[in-house]
Amino acid sequence: DAGITQSPRHKVTETGTPVTLRCHQTENHRYMYWYRQDPGHGLRLIHYSYGVKDTDKGEVSDGYSVSRSKTEDFLLTLESATSSQTSVYFCAISGGQGDREQYFGPGTRLTVT
Amino acid sequence: KNEVEQSPQNLTAQEGEFITINCSYSVGISALHWLQQHPGGGIVSLFMLSSGKKKHGRLIATINIQEKHSSLHITASHPRDSAVYICAVSDTDKLIFGTGTRLQVFP
Repeated sequence: DAGITQSPRHKVTETGTPVTLRCHQTENHRYMYWYRQDPGHGLRLIHYSYGVKDTDKGEVSDGYSVSRSKTEDFLLTLESATSSQTSVYFCAISGGQGDREQYFGPGTRLTVT
Repeated sequence: KNEVEQSPQNLTAQEGEFITINCSYSVGISALHWLQQHPGGGIVSLFMLSSGKKKHGRLIATINIQEKHSSLHITASHPRDSAVYICAVSDTDKLIFGTGTRLQVFP
């Protein structure tokens, strides 16, 4: 299995509070991704990174920010959580562009009350 | 209309049956991915292919680039194959996902 972990694995938070999710990899892969998974929508890309300090938006980036200060860590921040951000969040890594396999972390279940 | 469509959405089978899951896409791609997600579990990459056919154990994936269609076949299905199977396509550095096919295999 690819060395990719997510923390926390579960979190319950209140509307309006900031939340940061962490993705950590030990594979030295260049690309890292944050997705959310919701019933009926499948996986949707929030943000991705193609190198340290290099990030770009995905299709559902509103309300989220990311940071990547070192190769192994990719942080996803909800500045002010809303109930619509209740979801399961997956991090993924890849050694290259879209023609390379992506390896997924175990997921973080976030509930915003 | 979604760029990646899977069919069927739900599938039930008896152990031992041959199973086919289909994926159609409407965009240009560099590769197509098949992923597996067990209930409450993580997501595992099964195949990545850009042409022809790949086989791994009882799983076979095929792709027809001209028709923009891929199929995932499971031979001699087993209850442990019960999972959601997800098709995704990539052009540059991002994946576009289908909504998945939920497969249940009964003993």
